[in-house]
Amino acid sequence: SYELTQPLSVSVALGQTARITCGGNNIGSKNVHWYQQKPGQAPVLVIYRDSNRPSGIPERFSGSNSGNTATLTISRAQAGDEADYYCQVWDSSTAVFGGGTKLTVL
Amino acid sequence: QITLKESGPTLVKPTQTLTLTCTFSGFSLSTSGVGVGWIRQPPGKALEWLALIYWDDDKRYSPSLKSRLTITKDTSKNQVVLTMTNMDPVDTATYYCAHSLYTYGDHYFDYWGQGTLVTVSS
Repeated sequence: SYELTQPLSVSVALGQTARITCGGNNIGSKNVHWYQQKPGQAPVLVIYRDSNRPSGIPERFSGSNSGNTATLTISRAQAGDEADYYCQVWDSSTAVFGGGTKLTVL
Repeated sequence: QITLKESGPTLVKPTQTLTLTCTFSGFSLSTSGVGVGWIRQPPGKALEWLALIYWDDDKRYSPSLKSRLTITKDTSKNQVVLTMTNMDPVDTATYYCAHSLYTYGDHYFDYWGQGTLVTVSS
């Protein structure tokens, strides 16, 4: 089965740029989607198909995907961006989620 | 406006069968490309996809849980039902249902319910 690997935690200084990676075998050939989950809340889609933002998601959120790594980039990080982030792909007719990354804004 | 809401028991005993209902509005599960999925999250752990049902009644299941899961839909009631047999304490989790569109051979979940916490304990 396909596996997605994320760092357990990422820290970023307020106002700086955070990058959260999602690793998988030839993940660049797949569409990668990203979700933000704040404590006690349901996940929210922040990036779909590698680099597309749903309506209402700030332009500070962007994504890229190439080779064996997909990346979620959060520019000008704010305190409100502190959350868990999950990547997801669709592989062999199943949805696969990464293990999640806790983003801390310092 | 798309909304989804999960309902079902908050506590089940080991070996029992769990039945969860997702009641939705703002879309039709008879529209081509539309799907509804179930995802769960044990306390403090990652998201885990369980199952998905398509507009045409096709179904997909997590390989590791396939033998225990059944997903069905009632289009007239705007509901999707997930049953999971032989519940175990490790199945304690928040269970979410979510709306999905099948596009470009791919699924993502763009609208989520609030989730319902199910505890498995005797």
